[in-house]
Amino acid sequence: GQQLNQSPQSMFIQEGEDVSMNCTSSSIFNTWLWYKQDPGEGPVLLIALYKAGELTSNGRLTAQFGITRKDSFLNISASIPSDVGIYFCAGQLSRSWGKLQFGAGTQVVVTP
Amino acid sequence: GAVVSQHPSRVICKSGTSVKIECRSLDFQATTMFWYRQFPKQSLMLMATSNEGSKATYEQGVEKDKFLINHASLTLSTLTVTSAHPEDSSFYICSARELPGPQPNEQFFGPGTRLTVL
Repeated sequence: GQQLNQSPQSMFIQEGEDVSMNCTSSSIFNTWLWYKQDPGEGPVLLIALYKAGELTSNGRLTAQFGITRKDSFLNISASIPSDVGIYFCAGQLSRSWGKLQFGAGTQVVVTP
Repeated sequence: GAVVSQHPSRVICKSGTSVKIECRSLDFQATTMFWYRQFPKQSLMLMATSNEGSKATYEQGVEKDKFLINHASLTLSTLTVTSAHPEDSSFYICSARELPGPQPNEQFFGPGTRLTVL
């Protein structure tokens, strides 16, 4: 079952504002992945993190792999309307044969 | 690169019939594919791991005789929902990882299949 705690559950922000969300777990992960899902679509990979402490950017997105390997955060800077969607974190345990555990998702709504 | 397709994108069927969903990795070989189910406003729930040339591994609580998985080639996995009932209506999504590949831990998802059972 789901073992990742993702927060916040939803965010209503104005265009241009920054967004921050995070995931925590009691388990140690060797990989953290962040996905965005639009309605009726499959998740799209945004950022992949492989090392504790790693900070990676993809355009306006920045994500970090927590030092303890039990958490990760995703920031979106200067939000735009197309940032609307559900963002999921996913973690992979060692020796899990590639299986991912997903957070519950963060719904982001951007208003003009 | 790393494109995964699914077919069909949506299907409506009568109760008691079987439905096959295809998942293809278009530009890479995927020895492992994963099948998920997603209910409205919920996260993805892993159903099974599909391994090329061997039996699928099902998560606890998922009926293997109900959800038949076949992974006959390095680019194709199929999920067959047998004797479908309305409670099987859901959004089914597959994912694949390129193994061996530069980043084998990354999973790439298909666009999903919306199944509605009447």
